[in-house]
Amino acid sequence: RKEVEQDPGPFNVPEGATVAFNCTYSNSASQSFFWYRQDCRKEPKLLMSVYSSGNEDGRFTAQLNRASQYISLLIRDSKLSDSATYLCVTRDSSYKLIFGSGTRLLVRP
Amino acid sequence: EAGVAQSPRYKIIEKRQSVAFWCNPISGHATLYWYQQILGQGPKLLIQFQNNGVVDDSQLPKDRFSAERLKGVDSTLKIQPAKLEDSAVYLCASSRGGGIRSGEQFFGPGTRLTVL
Repeated sequence: RKEVEQDPGPFNVPEGATVAFNCTYSNSASQSFFWYRQDCRKEPKLLMSVYSSGNEDGRFTAQLNRASQYISLLIRDSKLSDSATYLCVTRDSSYKLIFGSGTRLLVRP
Repeated sequence: EAGVAQSPRYKIIEKRQSVAFWCNPISGHATLYWYQQILGQGPKLLIQFQNNGVVDDSQLPKDRFSAERLKGVDSTLKIQPAKLEDSAVYLCASSRGGGIRSGEQFFGPGTRLTVL
């Protein structure tokens, strides 16, 4: 079983739609959580950290459910430029980042 | 602020040959990471340096992979001999520190390796 599991997608949505990605992790000792974004054939970049209380950054909202070992990312009012792969990431007790395989999002005009 | 630099960007070799990749992290970043990203997967950590010391190399295939960061700045990753399954993108990343500061890592553009 993978440590971080994501639906690979692709999620194909029209501009302006709201889309949600989910991620589950197996290591209950995971301490911190992040979403990274990776454009096609580019390097990953940090999108946002995920806090226990949930957090929002503009059109992006991240939620954490430690009891269910579940992380989510909600994107509102999707833009064409949101098309990318979204990587769910946990950090273990040795501060190592564990990346999921990513969920691909395609936003169409 | 200049980003993480890597070279070469692309490399094609035959199996059993050797190859080396170079990385220059963001100035002042003490922690440097090498990741392997196979197509369709997320990056997997190979080795982490704090200054010029190794913090974690538990997932580095030490029979064929080696890495060094001699002066605590730039780093090289070597594969000798290469196997077909080493075909991947090799990403270098750096962060201001390890530990609690490891969450935001800045990645270089990667080296795309094809082993024939």
